[in-house]
Amino acid sequence: EVQLVQSGAEVKKPGESLKISCKGSGYTFTNHWIGWVRQMPGKGLEWMAIIYPGDSDTRYNPSFEGQVTISVDKSISVAYLQWSSLKASDTAMFYCARRGADSANYYDYWGQGTLVTVSS
Amino acid sequence: EIVLTQSPDFQSVTPKEKVTITCRASQSIGSNLHWYQQKPDQSPKLVIKYASLSISGVPSRFSGSGSGTDFTLTINSLEAEDAAVYYCHQSSSLPHTFGQGTKLEI
Repeated sequence: EVQLVQSGAEVKKPGESLKISCKGSGYTFTNHWIGWVRQMPGKGLEWMAIIYPGDSDTRYNPSFEGQVTISVDKSISVAYLQWSSLKASDTAMFYCARRGADSANYYDYWGQGTLVTVSS
Repeated sequence: EIVLTQSPDFQSVTPKEKVTITCRASQSIGSNLHWYQQKPDQSPKLVIKYASLSISGVPSRFSGSGSGTDFTLTINSLEAEDAAVYYCHQSSSLPHTFGQGTKLEI
């Protein structure tokens, strides 16, 4: 069974750093792109970035480039999303999602989400 | 960046009703349009891929159509469990984008 399991909720202060994770299982992790999607409280979905675990090829939404960094550790089938200096406006739910096989461009499996709260 | 505009933003519906949600792209995206369902406090779930292709495990009352710039998600004979926010998503070009969402209240 394909699963994406994300790390737990985080409460941070502005200026702090954070790295959240997404562990894939039940499939060949290196064969599927992993995307990250933000959902601010009460709002819609925003595509942030995507990474190919096989070679760490990465693409960012210009709106998020420089604000976050995505990475993978393929030896343990984990993708990461990190911030070096959080802002209150980073408060949101963050989802990882697996892109479909081959050249598929849809997201067929999603993690359960990681809620990040940034507050002084 | 390709902008996706959904209509309506909100719809109050009754069981067994037929519902149609539209998604318009700011430029042609071929069939690279997918639909997701998000129920309260849940992750999004893929319900239609490539504009009209069905997804295993998704009820057959869900269907999609369209190509180019205009797309439709149709839910026939709506059930109470279909109450959710529905998003369209384009994967024609980066950055991928989502529509603003359509909330179905039953």
